[in-house]
Amino acid sequence: DQQVKQNSPSLSVQEGRISILNCDYTNSMFDYFLWYKKYPAEGPTFLISISSIKDKNEDGRFTVFLNKSAKHLSLHIVPSQPGDSAVYFCAASDTGNQFYFGTGTSLTVIP
Amino acid sequence: GAGVSQSPRYKVAKRGQDVALRCDPISGHVSLFWYQQALGQGPEFLTYFQNEAQLDKSGLPSDRFFAERPEGSVSTLKIQRTQQEDSAVYLCASSLLGGIGEQYFGPGTRLTVT
Repeated sequence: DQQVKQNSPSLSVQEGRISILNCDYTNSMFDYFLWYKKYPAEGPTFLISISSIKDKNEDGRFTVFLNKSAKHLSLHIVPSQPGDSAVYFCAASDTGNQFYFGTGTSLTVIP
Repeated sequence: GAGVSQSPRYKVAKRGQDVALRCDPISGHVSLFWYQQALGQGPEFLTYFQNEAQLDKSGLPSDRFFAERPEGSVSTLKIQRTQQEDSAVYLCASSLLGGIGEQYFGPGTRLTVT
């Protein structure tokens, strides 16, 4: 049973535009969320996190929004760059020990 | 090294063979995690260590899977009598402290069972 879902397997965006990646979760006990970026043949790389006491966290071009009532989070990348092309995973945790990952969204930024 | 390293990067095993996958976490990192990532899926939690103590092994799919971290640093994931469904990328991650925190992932070991 998938507790974290990324319903869009792929997304294409023009360079300079906004990329919005979405993630939904089912477990209301999740209180810490992370986004990871993964290039082929490499392990995931941490991007940005948010705890449930916040609804927004920003780091440079990356902003994560959390809507607890909707059990939804999103990652905004503005402006998108070709180097952002990768697979993006969201992950959630209720204990800090066990993280549940989504299936990933493959982002392609078109120059 | 500066990051998490894993060896071997690729492993082909015949069904029924035993395999051992190694993870070298970032020096000084307390927590170590193992994940299994099947093709087209996200990483799935297998087990978690805090120093040498295995605090959670609820994600290990069967008793053929065994993990250890005897000195609180290097960890080994062992799979006995491999089956075709064990084919996946096995990812190791470490974090500085226990509990909530950023996890640093290694490049993974791609296991193919033929």
